[in-house]
Amino acid sequence: GIQVEQSPPDLILQEGANSTLRCNFSDSVNNLQWFHQNPWGQLINLFYIPSGTKQNGRLSATTVATERYSLLYISSSQTTDSGVYFCAVEGGTGGFKTIFGAGTRLFVKA
Amino acid sequence: ETGVTQTPRHLVMGMTNKKSLKCEQHLGHNAMYWYKQSAKKPLELMFVYSLEERVENNSVPSRFSPECPNSSHLFLHLHTLQPEDSALYLCASSQTGSTEAFFGQGTRLTVV
Repeated sequence: GIQVEQSPPDLILQEGANSTLRCNFSDSVNNLQWFHQNPWGQLINLFYIPSGTKQNGRLSATTVATERYSLLYISSSQTTDSGVYFCAVEGGTGGFKTIFGAGTRLFVKA
Repeated sequence: ETGVTQTPRHLVMGMTNKKSLKCEQHLGHNAMYWYKQSAKKPLELMFVYSLEERVENNSVPSRFSPECPNSSHLFLHLHTLQPEDSALYLCASSQTGSTEAFFGQGTRLTVV
C-alpha cells in the first residue's frame, strides 16, 4: 500500500516564526488532505489539495503530485497553531482507503 | 460547531462491559468512517460505510461491531474489550465520489 511520511516529526517554534511541514507519499494519489489535530483530539480540515496551491489566511499548501509530495506553510505562527498536523492521502485504486501519515507535532512558544 | 458529532466524549469501561459509541453527521454525506488513534501510532481506518453498506473492514476484531442504520448515523458497539483497545475513536463522513473527510471530536475510550 501507499506509504506516507511526514517531516519533521516534532517542531518547536517561537511565536511569529514561519515553518514548512512536508508530506511525501510513495505512489500516485487521487486526493490529499491536511488536518490539524488540536489538544482535545479534534481533527480540523485545513486543505483538500490533490494538486496545486491553496491559501487560507496564514496557512498555505502546495501539492506536487508528479513528484509525490505536499508542503504545508505556516506563517507568523501563533500559540493556537500548536498541535499535530496530519497529511492523509487516498490511493489510486479508488475506494475509501485513506492513509494517514504519522504527523508533525508542533509546539509554538509564546 | 462541527457537522459531525460524537457521543460520549469520554468513556471508561470494564473488560466485561458492553457499550456503544455514537456518531451523527449533519452534512448530507453518504459515507461514514470509524478510525482508531492509539498513542504514538497513525490513525487506523477501521470501518467504512457507503450508502449504508459496509465497504471496508480492516481486519478489526469482532469485539468491535459497527452499525449504520441510515446515512446520518453510525454506531460502534463494544464488548469484552481489552486494555490495548484504549484509544481515541474518531468518526468521519464524506460524500461518495469525494474522499474529503470531515471528522467528529472523537471519543476517548479507556478500558480498565
